[in-house]
Amino acid sequence: NAGVTQTPKFQVLKTGQSMTLQCAQDMNHNSMYWYRQDPGMGLRLIYYSASEGTTDKGEVPNGYNVSRLNKREFSLRLESAAPSQTSVYFCASSEYRGSTEAFFGQGTRLTVV
Amino acid sequence: KQEVTQIPAALSVPEGENLVLNCSFTDSAIYNLQWFRQDPGKGLTSLLLIQSSQREQTSGRLNASLDKSSGRSTLYIAASQPGDSATYLCAVRYWANNLFFGTGTRLTVIP
Repeated sequence: NAGVTQTPKFQVLKTGQSMTLQCAQDMNHNSMYWYRQDPGMGLRLIYYSASEGTTDKGEVPNGYNVSRLNKREFSLRLESAAPSQTSVYFCASSEYRGSTEAFFGQGTRLTVV
Repeated sequence: KQEVTQIPAALSVPEGENLVLNCSFTDSAIYNLQWFRQDPGKGLTSLLLIQSSQREQTSGRLNASLDKSSGRSTLYIAASQPGDSATYLCAVRYWANNLFFGTGTRLTVIP
């Protein structure tokens, strides 16, 4: 049972480059999320998709875009990477947005130089 | 803004000791609270989920309690083992809202 799968696991970008982080879940969950984790700050929500076809901004959306491609997949795009976006990115899913247990992927460690 | 605090930031205990990790939150109108474990360089593993109507949840050697009125949750680990060494995160969810995370407690269990 794969759960939540993220690709890639590691990435190094130069300032100004773009990239897309991929996330897929096989639990038939309605809601999906992207978080970033920085030392001393905990996980912060970037964007979420409460259900297929909808996306909304979280706490720190600037510099990012998302696409809910279908019920399984939710991608995060950095259009012009900046050093401040160096972080570990986690994708998560839950059956519904409000009430249920959240499951997380293994993370993508991104370095922007 | 909802805030979630975990103290201490780091904790070292000898193997076999019982221990308590603390989580406090500023807004007591929570919908549920979830405890996670994170190993170095890895993702988050869900340990326990407590709904707002519950007082505690148990899984094996883990017991999580919730006191909404005081804005506190504790994670009790019985008979700690070196394999319990990890960072423990608590996250609070408010109605139809997203998870708000604490910064975690890094636990080291010394053999």
